[in-house]
Amino acid sequence: DVKVTQSSRYLVKRTGEKVFLECVQDMDHENMFWYRQDPGLGLRLIYFSYDVKMKEKGDIPEGYSVSREKKERFSLILESASTNQTSMYLCASSLPKTDTQYFGPGTRLTVL
Amino acid sequence: QKEVEQNSGPLSVPEGAIASLNCTYSDRGSQSFFWYRQYSGKSPELIMFIYSNGDKEDGRFTAQLNKASQYVSLLIRDSQPSDSATYLCAVNKAAGNKLTFGGGTRVLVKP
Repeated sequence: DVKVTQSSRYLVKRTGEKVFLECVQDMDHENMFWYRQDPGLGLRLIYFSYDVKMKEKGDIPEGYSVSREKKERFSLILESASTNQTSMYLCASSLPKTDTQYFGPGTRLTVL
Repeated sequence: QKEVEQNSGPLSVPEGAIASLNCTYSDRGSQSFFWYRQYSGKSPELIMFIYSNGDKEDGRFTAQLNKASQYVSLLIRDSQPSDSATYLCAVNKAAGNKLTFGGGTRVLVKP
């Protein structure tokens, strides 16, 4: 069974704080993704990575950065959190030749 | 026009009936199509995927793909209250493994 874990289920931060969200997968997947999900807007891709140290911007990368130092770990960084970044953040992973993505449990981030 | 469109619902279905969900997409180059189920407060889980025109069945679920008309549908037979969830349609844009998701259709199965 594929397992994707995220560091926190719930997180509350203050405006201007630097926030780290971590995602770990245990299936040796090359591809990893970060999404945010908001009511009425659906799932939107922030960043993705096809391999260690590689990253590509998704549809809404502004205000975010990512880090992939190890194959199993993909971190999302909010350099200076803002209230409009309050959202559910979902990490996913997949094998390179398949499109099937497996999701972690999500982190509900509130920025006050 | 959104790249992947779904009716947000809610789609109310009596227990035991067939739920029919539709999804349209705008990119003719799309290659693969996915249906995910998401319970409230949980993350999406894959139900099934389809690559070729026609029907694909998996248990009580059937995915139907019509590339000429650019739509993909999901049928849930013998709907159960446990099927009450939001169903997300996702499309691969034929470039790598990026998926584009629709907004989801909320399904309510009433006993």
